[in-house]
Amino acid sequence: KAGVTQTPRYLIKTRGQQVTLSCSPISGHRSVSWYQQTPGQGLQFLFEYFSETQRNKGNFPGRFSGRQFSNSRSEMNVSTLELGDSALYLCASSLGGGPTEAFFGQGTRLTVV
Amino acid sequence: GQQVMQIPQYQHVQEGEDFTTYCNSSTTLSNIQWYKQRPGGHPVFLIQLVKSGEVKKQKRLTFQFGEAKKNSSLHITATQTTDVGTYFCAAPISSGSARQLTFGSGTQLTVLP
Repeated sequence: KAGVTQTPRYLIKTRGQQVTLSCSPISGHRSVSWYQQTPGQGLQFLFEYFSETQRNKGNFPGRFSGRQFSNSRSEMNVSTLELGDSALYLCASSLGGGPTEAFFGQGTRLTVV
Repeated sequence: GQQVMQIPQYQHVQEGEDFTTYCNSSTTLSNIQWYKQRPGGHPVFLIQLVKSGEVKKQKRLTFQFGEAKKNSSLHITATQTTDVGTYFCAAPISSGSARQLTFGSGTQLTVLP
């Protein structure tokens, strides 16, 4: 069974630009969660999608948004990038019955310059 | 909001020594999960504890869930260089009408040969 796939793996963007990250969950998994990981803040929850609906949202500004498609693939978008958005963005998929075991992708390393 | 507190933040041990990381919550948890993230990698699920007082072992790793289901620990006996990484606990924490998997800040383990 293929694991969680995130693309791209690395990204360099300029302040003010926007970026879209993609996540393909494990086949059969309906829940996709996104996390931001930085050295100082650890793993911060962004949002969770289940069956194309946002089920939960963390404390991030509206510049951070996401969506999920009918095939459970998910994208997250960050608009008007700031230097502080530089981080590892991790996607995790799970079956979706609740906060169960999460399978993480390799992450997308975003650098904002 | 509700959090899962994890200590210590860093731990350096000599190869062969033991290691323990602790997680605490102010509220009762339905379950607690443990993850390991190798340097440059992504978090990988280790185990989930559900029952009060539960103890589970995986080779040299021993996981415990407190009687009150408010704390948990991960103990590694006779560390090896392959144990290097950051260990996270995670628990479903209520946020509004939903529960999100909330991660502790992690304990970064360094094993000196």
